[in-house]
Amino acid sequence: GQQVMQIPQYQHVQEGEDFTTYCNSSTTLSNIQWYKQRPGGHPVFLIQLVKSGEVKKQKRLTFQFGEAKKNSSLHITATQTTDVGTYFCAPGTASKLTFGTGTRLQVTL
Amino acid sequence: DGGITQSPKYLFRKEGQNVTLSCEQNLNHDAMYWYRQDPGQGLRLIYYSQIVNDFQKGDIAEGYSVSREKKESFPLTVTSAQKNPTAFYLCASSMGPVRVTTNYGYTFGSGTRLTVV
Repeated sequence: GQQVMQIPQYQHVQEGEDFTTYCNSSTTLSNIQWYKQRPGGHPVFLIQLVKSGEVKKQKRLTFQFGEAKKNSSLHITATQTTDVGTYFCAPGTASKLTFGTGTRLQVTL
Repeated sequence: DGGITQSPKYLFRKEGQNVTLSCEQNLNHDAMYWYRQDPGQGLRLIYYSQIVNDFQKGDIAEGYSVSREKKESFPLTVTSAQKNPTAFYLCASSMGPVRVTTNYGYTFGSGTRLTVV
C-alpha cells in the first residue's frame, strides 16, 4: 500500500492552543481521507480531499491537500478537551485505504 | 439505526486455537475490510472484499482467513498460524470504491480486542 509518514507522533497542548498534524508521502496521492479515533474507540471519518491545493473547513478543523498532492495537514484552532484522540490520514486507491501511523493529541485544561 | 456490529467485544484465546471474529453490517455497503491495530500503532489491512464471494489479501494476511458468502457478513478467522494474534481488530465497510466525486469514507465497527492466553 501507499506509505505515509505522520508527524508528530504525539502532541500535548493546553486547551485553547492550536494543533497541526502533517501527513507526508514520497509519491503523488490520488486522494486522502482523515479519521479521528477517540481513546478506546474506533476511527470515525472526518473528510476526503481530492484536488491539488484543496482546503476544507469543518468548524475549528481545517484540512489541506498540498499542491503536489504529496502531503496533507489537519489544523485545529483553539483546541478543546473534546478534541482528544488520535488523528489518522489515509491515502486511498479505488479499492482500499492505507492508514498513517497517526498523531495522538492530548489536551489539558 | 444502520451500522456495523462486531462481536464479541473482548475475546480470549488459548495458544493453538483458531477463533472467528464476527462482522455484520446493515448499511447495504458493497465493500468490507478487516484491519488490525496494535497499541499505539496505526491500522494495518488484513483482508478486504469489494463484492460477495470475492476477497483480496491486504498487507498482513498471513495467519488469517475470511469469507464473504453474504453481502452483510465478513467474518475473520484468526488461525493458530498467526504468531502474534493479540491485538484490536476493526471491521469496516464502504459503499464501494473510493470515488473522487463523493465525500464518504469507511464506517467502522466498535472492534474486538483479542488476547491470547
